[in-house]
Amino acid sequence: EDQVTQSPEALRLQEGESSSLNCSYTVSGLRGLFWYRQDPGKGPEFLFTLYSAGEEKEKERLKATLTKKESFLHITAPKPEDSATYLCAVQLTGFQKLVFGTGTRLLVSP
Amino acid sequence: NAGVTQTPKFQVLKTGQSMTLQCAQDMNHNSMYWYRQDPGMGLRLIYYSASEGTTDKGEVPNGYNVSRLNKREFSLRLESAAPSQTSVYFCASKVGEAFFGQGTRLTVV
Repeated sequence: EDQVTQSPEALRLQEGESSSLNCSYTVSGLRGLFWYRQDPGKGPEFLFTLYSAGEEKEKERLKATLTKKESFLHITAPKPEDSATYLCAVQLTGFQKLVFGTGTRLLVSP
Repeated sequence: NAGVTQTPKFQVLKTGQSMTLQCAQDMNHNSMYWYRQDPGMGLRLIYYSASEGTTDKGEVPNGYNVSRLNKREFSLRLESAAPSQTSVYFCASKVGEAFFGQGTRLTVV
């Protein structure tokens, strides 16, 4: 069965304290892996696409990486405005749909 | 550019009532999706339409029907609402680098 697991469920950081969020996947064939940010009361917002092991993408304080079994979202020197739920999703080869993980709730305190 | 527009934003239904959630996108995307989001469960796919004229079941289709009215519009219908369908519903367009609507918070009492 295709599965996407995110950890930790929740993460509390101090402003400036770097950390990483994990997304591990077990799928029959990976077309792509996607990271989203979701603020309370809003729909998810696309952040990154990763297609192959070794690929990295960066945007401001966020960097996403991909291996054959998992992806990491690294947050460097976070700010309170980075507080949100971060969702990981995979697209399976041959399918026009995504399978989402349950997300990591990130809280960054000043 | 409005993106993905969902209506209504909030709705309270009584058990057994029916309703249709509307979704429209103005980005000319082929594929559209309906998800529900429950605490601790993440986003679960209800139905999707890979292209105009096609619809397919997702992970949790029971109790729902969909209509791809045209390339822009994809509606979700609850024929006989149940308390288990209390959730936040999201419409999205384009697989992968998807665009999401603002959500519909539905409560069934």
